[in-house]
Amino acid sequence: AAGVIQSPRHLIKEKRETATLKCYPIPRHDTVYWYQQGPGQDPQFLISFYEKMQSDKGSIPDRFSAQQFSDYHSELNMSSLELGDSALYFCASSHPPGQGVGQPSTDTQYFGPGTRLTVL
Amino acid sequence: AQSVTQLDSQVPVFEEAPVELRCNYSSSVSVYLFWYVQYPNQGLQLLLKYLSGSTLVKGINGFEAEFNKSQTSFHLRKPSVHISDTAEYFCAVSDRGNAGNMLTFGGGTRLMVKP
Repeated sequence: AAGVIQSPRHLIKEKRETATLKCYPIPRHDTVYWYQQGPGQDPQFLISFYEKMQSDKGSIPDRFSAQQFSDYHSELNMSSLELGDSALYFCASSHPPGQGVGQPSTDTQYFGPGTRLTVL
Repeated sequence: AQSVTQLDSQVPVFEEAPVELRCNYSSSVSVYLFWYVQYPNQGLQLLLKYLSGSTLVKGINGFEAEFNKSQTSFHLRKPSVHISDTAEYFCAVSDRGNAGNMLTFGGGTRLMVKP
Protein backbone atom coordinates (compact mmCIF):
# COMPACT_ATOMS: atom_id res chain seq x y z
CA ALA A 1 0.00 0.00 0.00
CA ALA A 2 1.15 3.53 -0.70
CA GLY A 3 2.61 5.40 2.25
CA VAL A 4 3.41 8.97 3.13
CA ILE A 5 6.42 10.20 1.19
CA GLN A 6 8.80 12.80 2.54
CA SER A 7 11.66 14.46 0.78
CA PRO A 8 14.46 14.89 1.22
CA ARG A 9 15.23 12.15 3.74
CA HIS A 10 18.34 13.95 4.95
CA LEU A 11 19.24 17.61 4.77
CA ILE A 12 22.28 19.47 6.01
CA LYS A 13 22.16 23.25 6.27
CA GLU A 14 24.16 25.98 7.91
CA LYS A 15 22.89 28.51 10.41
CA ARG A 16 20.74 31.28 8.95
CA GLU A 17 20.05 29.30 5.79
CA THR A 18 16.58 28.24 4.63
CA ALA A 19 15.16 24.78 4.09
CA THR A 20 12.06 23.36 2.46
CA LEU A 21 10.69 19.97 3.43
CA LYS A 22 8.09 18.24 1.30
CA CYS A 23 5.36 15.79 2.18
CA TYR A 24 3.19 13.72 -0.14
CA PRO A 25 0.23 12.20 1.71
CA ILE A 26 -1.32 8.82 1.10
CA PRO A 27 -3.66 9.04 -1.93
CA ARG A 28 -7.13 10.34 -1.03
CA HIS A 29 -5.89 11.62 2.32
CA ASP A 30 -6.83 15.28 2.66
CA THR A 31 -5.34 16.15 6.05
CA VAL A 32 -1.63 16.66 6.63
CA TYR A 33 0.22 17.13 9.92
CA TRP A 34 3.80 18.18 10.67
CA TYR A 35 5.72 17.11 13.78
CA GLN A 36 9.22 17.85 15.05
CA GLN A 37 11.18 15.27 17.03
CA GLY A 38 14.36 16.49 18.68
CA PRO A 39 17.10 14.05 19.73
CA GLY A 40 15.77 11.76 22.43
CA GLN A 41 12.46 13.63 22.49
CA ASP A 42 8.88 12.75 21.70
CA PRO A 43 7.32 14.23 18.55
CA GLN A 44 5.89 17.71 18.98
CA PHE A 45 3.01 18.91 16.83
CA LEU A 46 3.79 21.89 14.60
CA ILE A 47 0.88 22.50 12.27
CA SER A 48 -1.85 20.77 10.29
CA PHE A 49 -3.87 21.37 7.14
CA TYR A 50 -7.25 20.15 5.98
CA GLU A 51 -8.39 20.75 2.42
CA LYS A 52 -5.56 23.24 1.90
CA MET A 53 -6.52 25.35 4.90
CA GLN A 54 -4.61 25.47 8.17
CA SER A 55 -6.68 23.55 10.70
CA ASP A 56 -4.53 23.58 13.83
CA LYS A 57 -1.32 25.16 15.03
CA GLY A 58 1.09 23.96 17.66
CA SER A 59 4.54 25.02 18.73
CA ILE A 60 5.70 26.20 15.33
CA PRO A 61 8.23 29.05 15.37
CA ASP A 62 7.43 32.22 13.45
CA ARG A 63 10.45 31.46 11.26
CA PHE A 64 8.60 28.44 9.91
CA SER A 65 5.67 28.46 7.54
CA ALA A 66 3.77 25.74 5.76
CA GLN A 67 1.08 25.25 3.20
CA GLN A 68 -0.92 22.54 1.52
CA PHE A 69 -1.31 22.59 -2.23
CA SER A 70 -4.16 21.66 -4.57
CA ASP A 71 -2.76 18.13 -4.98
CA TYR A 72 -2.73 17.85 -1.15
CA HIS A 73 1.03 17.72 -0.83
CA SER A 74 2.47 20.01 1.80
CA GLU A 75 5.69 21.96 2.23
CA LEU A 76 7.31 23.16 5.43
CA ASN A 77 9.48 26.22 4.88
CA MET A 78 12.10 27.01 7.50
CA SER A 79 14.09 30.23 7.46
CA SER A 80 16.95 31.65 9.54
CA LEU A 81 17.83 28.16 10.66
CA GLU A 82 19.26 27.73 14.13
CA LEU A 83 21.28 24.89 15.63
CA GLY A 84 18.26 23.96 17.74
CA ASP A 85 16.23 23.26 14.60
CA SER A 86 18.24 20.08 14.08
CA ALA A 87 15.66 17.35 14.42
CA LEU A 88 13.62 14.71 12.67
CA TYR A 89 10.61 16.24 10.94
CA PHE A 90 7.66 13.96 10.39
CA CYS A 91 4.70 14.41 8.16
CA ALA A 92 1.52 12.42 8.73
CA SER A 93 -1.70 12.18 6.78
CA SER A 94 -5.24 11.05 7.50
CA HIS A 95 -8.62 10.82 5.87
CA PRO A 96 -12.06 11.21 7.41
CA PRO A 97 -13.76 7.79 7.62
CA GLY A 98 -17.24 8.42 6.32
CA GLN A 99 -17.41 11.92 7.68
CA GLY A 100 -19.60 14.55 6.10
CA VAL A 101 -18.26 17.08 3.64
CA GLY A 102 -16.32 19.82 5.35
CA GLN A 103 -15.31 17.73 8.35
CA PRO A 104 -11.62 17.27 9.03
CA SER A 105 -10.31 13.87 9.94
CA THR A 106 -10.81 12.24 13.30
CA ASP A 107 -9.09 9.03 12.34
CA THR A 108 -5.62 7.61 12.40
CA GLN A 109 -2.55 9.52 11.33
CA TYR A 110 -0.09 7.62 9.18
CA PHE A 111 3.46 8.85 9.41
CA GLY A 112 6.12 9.24 6.79
CA PRO A 113 9.74 8.15 7.32
CA GLY A 114 10.78 11.65 8.31
CA THR A 115 13.35 14.17 7.14
CA ARG A 116 16.45 14.43 9.28
CA LEU A 117 17.57 18.06 9.30
CA THR A 118 21.02 18.87 10.59
CA VAL A 119 21.95 22.52 11.08
CA LEU A 120 25.68 23.19 11.35
CA ALA B 1 -5.43 20.39 26.53
CA GLN B 2 -4.19 16.87 27.00
CA SER B 3 -1.07 15.34 28.44
CA VAL B 4 0.34 11.85 28.25
CA THR B 5 2.62 10.20 30.76
CA GLN B 6 4.58 7.08 30.02
CA LEU B 7 5.72 5.97 33.41
CA ASP B 8 8.79 4.03 32.33
CA SER B 9 11.45 5.55 30.13
CA GLN B 10 13.14 2.17 29.67
CA VAL B 11 11.88 -1.38 30.08
CA PRO B 12 14.43 -4.20 29.88
CA VAL B 13 12.96 -7.65 29.43
CA PHE B 14 14.18 -11.08 28.41
CA GLU B 15 13.06 -12.66 25.17
CA GLU B 16 9.78 -14.63 25.39
CA ALA B 17 8.82 -12.88 28.63
CA PRO B 18 5.60 -10.83 28.87
CA VAL B 19 5.78 -7.06 28.91
CA GLU B 20 3.53 -4.15 29.83
CA LEU B 21 4.27 -0.57 28.83
CA ARG B 22 2.28 1.88 30.88
CA CYS B 23 0.48 4.96 29.61
CA ASN B 24 -1.70 7.40 31.50
CA TYR B 25 -3.35 10.43 30.05
CA SER B 26 -5.02 13.57 31.28
CA SER B 27 -7.73 15.34 29.35
CA SER B 28 -10.81 17.43 30.01
CA VAL B 29 -12.52 15.96 26.96
CA SER B 30 -12.97 12.54 25.40
CA VAL B 31 -9.97 11.32 23.50
CA TYR B 32 -8.82 8.81 20.94
CA LEU B 33 -5.81 6.74 22.02
CA PHE B 34 -2.93 5.35 19.99
CA TRP B 35 0.28 3.42 20.36
CA TYR B 36 3.06 3.95 17.84
CA VAL B 37 6.39 2.13 17.54
CA GLN B 38 9.60 3.70 16.28
CA TYR B 39 12.50 1.48 15.27
CA PRO B 40 15.97 3.07 15.20
CA ASN B 41 16.31 5.73 12.52
CA GLN B 42 12.82 5.07 11.23
CA GLY B 43 9.44 6.75 11.27
CA LEU B 44 6.45 6.08 13.50
CA GLN B 45 4.39 2.99 12.78
CA LEU B 46 0.89 2.57 14.17
CA LEU B 47 0.58 -0.42 16.48
CA LEU B 48 -3.04 -0.04 17.52
CA LYS B 49 -5.73 2.48 18.33
CA TYR B 50 -8.80 2.95 20.46
CA LEU B 51 -11.56 5.07 18.93
CA SER B 52 -14.69 3.54 20.48
CA GLY B 53 -16.32 0.22 21.30
CA SER B 54 -14.50 -2.64 23.00
CA THR B 55 -11.94 -1.41 25.48
CA LEU B 56 -9.52 -4.20 24.58
CA VAL B 57 -7.89 -3.54 21.24
CA LYS B 58 -5.54 -5.77 19.35
CA GLY B 59 -2.83 -4.49 17.09
CA ILE B 60 -0.03 -5.70 14.93
CA ASN B 61 2.89 -7.89 16.00
CA GLY B 62 0.88 -9.51 18.80
CA PHE B 63 0.41 -6.35 20.85
CA GLU B 64 -2.80 -5.40 22.61
CA ALA B 65 -3.91 -2.55 24.84
CA GLU B 66 -6.77 -1.92 27.20
CA PHE B 67 -8.52 1.39 27.61
CA ASN B 68 -9.50 2.09 31.22
CA LYS B 69 -11.54 5.24 31.43
CA SER B 70 -11.75 5.37 35.22
CA GLN B 71 -7.98 5.09 35.55
CA THR B 72 -7.33 7.16 32.41
CA SER B 73 -4.90 4.51 31.24
CA PHE B 74 -4.09 2.75 27.99
CA HIS B 75 -1.40 0.21 28.83
CA LEU B 76 0.25 -1.81 26.07
CA ARG B 77 0.91 -5.52 26.54
CA LYS B 78 2.48 -8.44 24.77
CA PRO B 79 2.50 -11.96 26.23
CA SER B 80 5.84 -12.97 24.71
CA VAL B 81 8.34 -10.52 23.27
CA HIS B 82 10.95 -11.07 20.59
CA ILE B 83 14.32 -9.49 20.02
CA SER B 84 12.78 -7.68 17.05
CA ASP B 85 10.40 -5.83 19.38
CA THR B 86 13.31 -3.72 20.64
CA ALA B 87 12.25 -0.17 19.80
CA GLU B 88 10.83 3.06 21.18
CA TYR B 89 7.10 2.99 21.91
CA PHE B 90 4.98 6.12 22.05
CA CYS B 91 1.52 6.48 23.50
CA ALA B 92 -0.51 9.32 22.00
CA VAL B 93 -3.92 10.94 22.36
CA SER B 94 -6.05 13.21 20.24
CA ASP B 95 -9.09 15.24 21.15
CA ARG B 96 -12.32 13.72 19.82
CA GLY B 97 -13.89 17.11 19.41
CA ASN B 98 -10.97 19.02 17.92
CA ALA B 99 -11.22 19.53 14.22
CA GLY B 100 -7.46 19.61 13.81
CA ASN B 101 -6.97 16.35 15.66
CA MET B 102 -3.33 16.93 16.59
CA LEU B 103 -1.61 14.12 18.47
CA THR B 104 -0.08 14.66 21.87
CA PHE B 105 2.65 12.14 22.58
CA GLY B 106 4.06 10.73 25.76
CA GLY B 107 7.78 10.80 26.38
CA GLY B 108 8.28 7.32 24.97
CA THR B 109 9.35 4.01 26.47
CA ARG B 110 12.40 2.23 25.18
CA LEU B 111 11.76 -1.51 25.16
CA MET B 112 14.99 -3.47 25.30
CA VAL B 113 14.59 -7.19 24.69
CA LYS B 114 17.54 -9.27 25.79
CA PRO B 115 18.35 -12.79 24.63
